[in-house]
Amino acid sequence: RKEVEQDPGPFNVPEGATVAFNCTYSNSASQSFFWYRQDCRKEPKLLMSVYSSGNEDGRFTAQLNRASQYISLLIRDSKLSDSATYLCVVDRNTGKLIFGQGTTLQVKP
Amino acid sequence: DAGVIQSPRHEVTEMGQEVTLRCKPISGHNSLFWYRQTMMRGLELLIYFNNNVPIDDSGMPEDRFSAKMPNASFSTLKIQPSEPRDSAVYFCASSSGTLLNEQYFGPGTRLTVT
Repeated sequence: RKEVEQDPGPFNVPEGATVAFNCTYSNSASQSFFWYRQDCRKEPKLLMSVYSSGNEDGRFTAQLNRASQYISLLIRDSKLSDSATYLCVVDRNTGKLIFGQGTTLQVKP
Repeated sequence: DAGVIQSPRHEVTEMGQEVTLRCKPISGHNSLFWYRQTMMRGLELLIYFNNNVPIDDSGMPEDRFSAKMPNASFSTLKIQPSEPRDSAVYFCASSSGTLLNEQYFGPGTRLTVT
């Protein structure tokens, strides 16, 4: 079983839709959580950190449920430019990030 | 500001040849990471350095792979001899000590071994 699991998708949604991705992690020692975004044939880039209390950055909301060991990302009012692969990432505060396989989002006009 | 710089961006080589990938981290960052990404296995950490010292090389697939960081501004990942299954995109990333988890990735080297 992979340490970080994501539904690979693809999620195909129309512009303006709300879409949510979930991610589960298996190691309860995980301390820090992130969402990275990767565009086709580009490098991953940090989208946002995920805090226990939940956090929002514009149209993006991240939630963490430690008891159930899952992380979510909600995107409201989807834009064409949101089309990308979203990588769920965990860290046990060792400096070693563990990446999920990614969830692909395609936003259609 | 310059980001992480990697070279070459693309490399095509024949099986058995030596391949050297290069990375220049962001100035002032003291941690450097080498990753490999394939469709099958996703993004995997190969090795990381802190203050030029290798901290964790448990992800290095086998002895054919080696990495060095002779100074704070340069690192190499070498594959000798290369094999077709080494074909992948190799990313270098760096981070500062104060925000260890926020890693900045270079554009990657796309390696094809024929």
